[in-house]
Amino acid sequence: DIQMTQSPSSLSASVGDRITITCRASHSIGTFLNWYQHKPGKAPKLLIYAASHLQSGVPSRFSGSGSGTDFTLTITSLQPEDFTTYYCQQSYSIPPAWTFGQGTKVEI
Amino acid sequence: EVQMVESGGGLVQSGGSLRLSCAVSGFTVSDNYISWVRQAPGKGLEWVSVIYDGGSTYFADSVKGRFTLSRDNSKNTLYLQMNSVKAEDTAVYYCARTTAMGNVFDYWGQGTLVTVSS
Repeated sequence: DIQMTQSPSSLSASVGDRITITCRASHSIGTFLNWYQHKPGKAPKLLIYAASHLQSGVPSRFSGSGSGTDFTLTITSLQPEDFTTYYCQQSYSIPPAWTFGQGTKVEI
Repeated sequence: EVQMVESGGGLVQSGGSLRLSCAVSGFTVSDNYISWVRQAPGKGLEWVSVIYDGGSTYFADSVKGRFTLSRDNSKNTLYLQMNSVKAEDTAVYYCARTTAMGNVFDYWGQGTLVTVSS
């Protein structure tokens, strides 16, 4: 299976800050990399697909980049509702064996 | 509007069985890929299984041979049959529509909690 490693596992930030979360794949996955936001008790929400494409309805302060094995999620000007957990996910494996990173918790 | 509603979770004894449902509105189950993703208490997200529009199914190694997927097209509902459950199957289970292009989980349900007691 392709292993996904996110860093950091958690970070502290303030409203208005710019943050970057990194995701590294154990094998090259092209741009088959997606980012999700997950708030406790809620359904996860797709933010970025195919490494850099912003899902419809997601604020433009979210952006993604990368290809191959190294990817980043950047949030510019953090808002109060952004303090939660983020996951990367590789969707490259066929037959399906899709895997998530371990998550990054963004705290105030 | 797309809605995905999971149900069927609850307390089950180790070695027992449980069937989860994912009732869908806003798109046709049989025309789409749909996955199950779970989150164990205090852990991250884990992909569990997917059913393709053509009916092919795939499972994570952790559940292969114990879980199966089926659909009721008349009810536009997907089912995850969980057999021989283990304590490590304790989790919130989410169903998620999965895009055929890119295998992206673009719509999710709210989840249903499965607790396996030993």
